[in-house]
Amino acid sequence: EAQVTQNPRYLITVTGKKLTVTCSQNMNHEYMSWYRQDPGLGLRQIYYSMNVEVTDKGDVPEGYKVSRKEKRNFPLILESPSPNQTSLYFCASSPGLAGKYNEQFFGPGTRLTVL
Amino acid sequence: QKEVEQNSGPLSVPEGAIASLNCTYSDRGSQSFFWYRQYSGKSPELIMFIYSNGDKEDGRFTAQLNKASQYVSLLIRDSQPSDSATYLCAVNNRYSASKIIFGSGTRLSIRP
Repeated sequence: EAQVTQNPRYLITVTGKKLTVTCSQNMNHEYMSWYRQDPGLGLRQIYYSMNVEVTDKGDVPEGYKVSRKEKRNFPLILESPSPNQTSLYFCASSPGLAGKYNEQFFGPGTRLTVL
Repeated sequence: QKEVEQNSGPLSVPEGAIASLNCTYSDRGSQSFFWYRQYSGKSPELIMFIYSNGDKEDGRFTAQLNKASQYVSLLIRDSQPSDSATYLCAVNNRYSASKIIFGSGTRLSIRP
């Protein structure tokens, strides 16, 4: 089944404790992205990657890191989480750049709480 | 001014009626426009995509694009309770086709 998976789905942690949220897709998509969703603010892009070893900042990259060493994986790293990073996080992937191929397929989401 | 703006709602529509959702965008160079549906606690799913001026129909859904006025709308005919969800408008960034900008969403409620 074609899908985007994220782990963990739920995470409660404390300020300053490094964490990684994994994202994997099995559709051989070039493009992957991370979003956070907060009430009233919609989906805001954190980082995106157009291919292996190619990443770029989205609208809210502060406090986050990413890497794209393999095409299928795009982990999100919070080196020192803070309470303002409490949010619902989505990973997404899409085949390419033009027209219909900009359709993004979303993972199930990771609800993160930082105490 | 937000790059993509939507009325947050909630928009309440009786079952069987037409629901009309609107979205405006600020970047005149945007080329691709998307409507995603998101049920509470779930991830967004694409329901419509449009890139040419005019209407695009898919079943009960019609997307309308007017680039001169910089708005895109979604009409849902014969609204059903299962259409109750948040609808997200998304627009691609003209400088990077991979960068998609989302509106904050309109919450739609279909009342029986």
